[in-house]
Amino acid sequence: SAVISQKPSRDICQRGTSLTIQCQVDSQVTMMFWYRQQPGQSLTLIATANQGSEATYESGFVIDKFPISRPNLTFSTLTVSNMSPEDSSIYLCSVELRYGYTFGSGTRLTVV
Amino acid sequence: AQKVTQAQTEISVVEKEDVTLDCVYETRDTTYYLFWYKQPPSGELVFLIRRNSFDEQNEISGRYSWNFQKSTSSFNFTITASQVVDSAVYFCALSEVTNAGKSTFGDGTTLTVKP
Repeated sequence: SAVISQKPSRDICQRGTSLTIQCQVDSQVTMMFWYRQQPGQSLTLIATANQGSEATYESGFVIDKFPISRPNLTFSTLTVSNMSPEDSSIYLCSVELRYGYTFGSGTRLTVV
Repeated sequence: AQKVTQAQTEISVVEKEDVTLDCVYETRDTTYYLFWYKQPPSGELVFLIRRNSFDEQNEISGRYSWNFQKSTSSFNFTITASQVVDSAVYFCALSEVTNAGKSTFGDGTTLTVKP
């Protein structure tokens, strides 16, 4: 099964700054998915990242706030821009396996 | 639009009890996937099962079993002889078959198993 490495695992950031989260997969995958889990809540899909094309964003999420890169089939980044305390969440990347999906260990972001 | 409802916000049981976590879903798609994930206190999300909508056979994996009832749009998860290590938040999720990574998650059920 694919192994996903996500970093940083956690960070505390000042409001107004940006943080880039990296997701590395040990095998080539067509699509990678970025989710957000706000404190005590469920997961919400932010966007789908295909290699070689712009990411597809879900309602309520925009590229200016959450720019995504997908330079190759094993790597993606999500940037949380101009952060505010409301962006404090766990951010997770996910990829498809033959039988289901696997998630990275998540990035726990706190904005102060 | 897709929707997943996990009506049980929190469940507490004593070790060795059986426990069933409910999941009810709504979708207009004729084919779809259903998932269960476990999120232990450490925070990582662990994939448990994927079920295709045209496969209504129930599944058993060790102490875990899943009951898929298309007629009632339910996909319930039972843990037999629960253990303390089963304590976690459990999420049910639904996705399109053609874009299975785009999942709609329920709000989760927090299961506490007491020794």
